[in-house]
Formats: sequence, C-alpha cells, structure tokens
Amino acid sequence: DVKVTQSSRYLVKRTGEKVFLECVQDMDHENMFWYRQDPGLGLRLIYFSYDVKMKEKGDIPEGYSVSREKKERFSLILESASTNQTSMYLCASSPPRAADNGYTFGSGTRLTVV
Amino acid sequence: AQSVTQLGSHVSVSEGALVLLRCNYSSSVPPYLFWYVQYPNQGLQLLLKYTTGATLVKGINGFEAEFKKSETSFHLTKPSAHMSDAAEYFCAVSFQYGNKLVFGAGTILRVKS
Repeated sequence: DVKVTQSSRYLVKRTGEKVFLECVQDMDHENMFWYRQDPGLGLRLIYFSYDVKMKEKGDIPEGYSVSREKKERFSLILESASTNQTSMYLCASSPPRAADNGYTFGSGTRLTVV
Repeated sequence: AQSVTQLGSHVSVSEGALVLLRCNYSSSVPPYLFWYVQYPNQGLQLLLKYTTGATLVKGINGFEAEFKKSETSFHLTKPSAHMSDAAEYFCAVSFQYGNKLVFGAGTILRVKS
C-alpha cells in the first residue's frame, strides 16, 4: 500500500524555536507538497517541490522554508515558530501530472506553538 | 486561473437521508475534478475523480458525483447517509498536464441519528 508518512502526529513547540516537520513517501513521486489547514480556510499551499533540490513558493510561504535533498523526503522548516503558525500541516505527493490521479496525503501533523 | 467554491461550510442530514454537497469550479481549460474526504485528525483520502469520459463518476463508500459543464458544477451525492459519513469533504480542480490541485474551503458533513 502506497504511503506518505509524516513523522509526528502531534507536536508542541515554544515561540522562537526552529521546527522541522518531516515527510517521507515510498511511491517514487516527483511532486511533493506542504499545506496548512485551518478551520474555514481550507487547505493553503505553503511550498511544493517537483524534483530533488527544486522548490516553488505556494500561496503562504512567509515564515517557512523547505528542503528536499532526496526524492522521497520533503521537510518543512519553521525558522522561528510563532503562535500564528499553530495549525494542522499536511504533506502530499503525486506523480508529475498530479491531475491524473490526484494527491496522496499523509495523516497530518497538528502543531501547537505556545 | 482555476478556483473552487463549495457552497455551505456545514451541512447536516439525518441518517438515511440524501447527502448533497455542492461544488462549483472556475477553469479556462477543461477541468479535472476531485472529491476528497477527511475524517477527524486524519489526512485526506480520495473519494472519486473526473478526468474525461463518463460524466457520472462513482467513488468509494457509495458516493458519486456528476460533472455538469453547462453549470460548472461537480456536486457530490449519496442516496442514504450513514453515521460513518460524518467528516469534512473537499472539492478540488486541476487540468490535463496540471501538477497542482486547487482546493475548495471544505464542507463539514454532520449526520444526525
């Protein structure tokens, strides 16, 4: 069964900490995505990557960075966590033509910044 | 540019009643359309998709959706709601060769006993 695995289901961090959210997929997918999900706002794209070491900003990249050193792993980095980054973070992956089959999502990481 | 509008952030139905979740899209090219479901504290799971061909698409758990080009709609239906259908549902749009999906804001479905 194909999988996207996010390293933590729940995470609590302090304001100002550097936070790493990890995502690994075993489907050899080229595309990987990071979204945040907030009530009433749906899914908002933070960053996506279409190849190793390649990245593109999404709709809300401020306060975030990403790293993709290997095809299967896509990391989201909060350089200095703030309380307004408390949210559910979802990782997804897809083949190059995402429209053919849609995305495969991970189970999400619920991050609380205190 | 593409966009998706889901009418109704919350929908409540009785167990056994018809489920209708509305999705309208905007796209300058022929759309590819998706419905996803998210159960509490989980990721999103693909329910069904429309790419080309038959406009009535059947998905998992008894759900189906019909692509209506003239109405730019892709509404999700299920004839008889079950308690286990309570979840949040997202409509999404892309296009052929597209590498990203654009999601709607989501509709929370509540099923009353």
